[in-house]
Amino acid sequence: GNSVTQMEGPVTLSEEAFLTINCTYTATGYPSLFWYVQYPGEGLQLLLKATKADDKGSNKGFEATYRKETTSFHLEKGSVQVSDSAVYFCALYGGATNKLIFGTGTLLAVQP
Amino acid sequence: GAVVSQHPSRVICKSGTSVKIECRSLDFQATTMFWYRQFPKQSLMLMATSNEGSKATYEQGVEKDKFLINHASLTLSTLTVTSAHPEDSSFYICSARRQGAGSNQPQHFGDGTRLSIL
Repeated sequence: GNSVTQMEGPVTLSEEAFLTINCTYTATGYPSLFWYVQYPGEGLQLLLKATKADDKGSNKGFEATYRKETTSFHLEKGSVQVSDSAVYFCALYGGATNKLIFGTGTLLAVQP
Repeated sequence: GAVVSQHPSRVICKSGTSVKIECRSLDFQATTMFWYRQFPKQSLMLMATSNEGSKATYEQGVEKDKFLINHASLTLSTLTVTSAHPEDSSFYICSARRQGAGSNQPQHFGDGTRLSIL
């Protein structure tokens, strides 16, 4: 069945450092891929998405490219800020299950 | 943008109490809403899919009689945790998909409800 694997955290970075959070997926067909962000005590917010191979989703300086050949959707940001500290979830939607499948989440802590 | 409102944000109550959580789509109609449960430091677990005007579809292992879902209108779904016990303590999050949106369109999430059963 469909699944999402993302790197375990926590990821601790200094302000202005480069961020990569790895995400790979297993799915039949051509799923849509998403990154959601969850700030402390809050629900999830959509950060970015990509619906087909080679699409690049971007928002607030974050980017992720849908790589079908490597079944990956890694999240990147060139210069993180303290305000980026949150839990990031990679997710996919598609196939016969009609469900949004989440990875386990990666906690990002950015220090000043 | 689309907004989903979830209420209450936090509930603390005694064991045996039934608790109702509301999920509203504020600026769009949602034929389908989803209820998730999130354990500490873990991912979201889909509990059930709520369909307007019909019965909810529950995931395997989720007790239908324990977690009652009602989706009476295109903007409101409720989750009632019946006779709650300490093991039901968790963070519950709802989401909604805009009516007519394709399956590749994102769900919009509420801010969650922290349920604590004493």
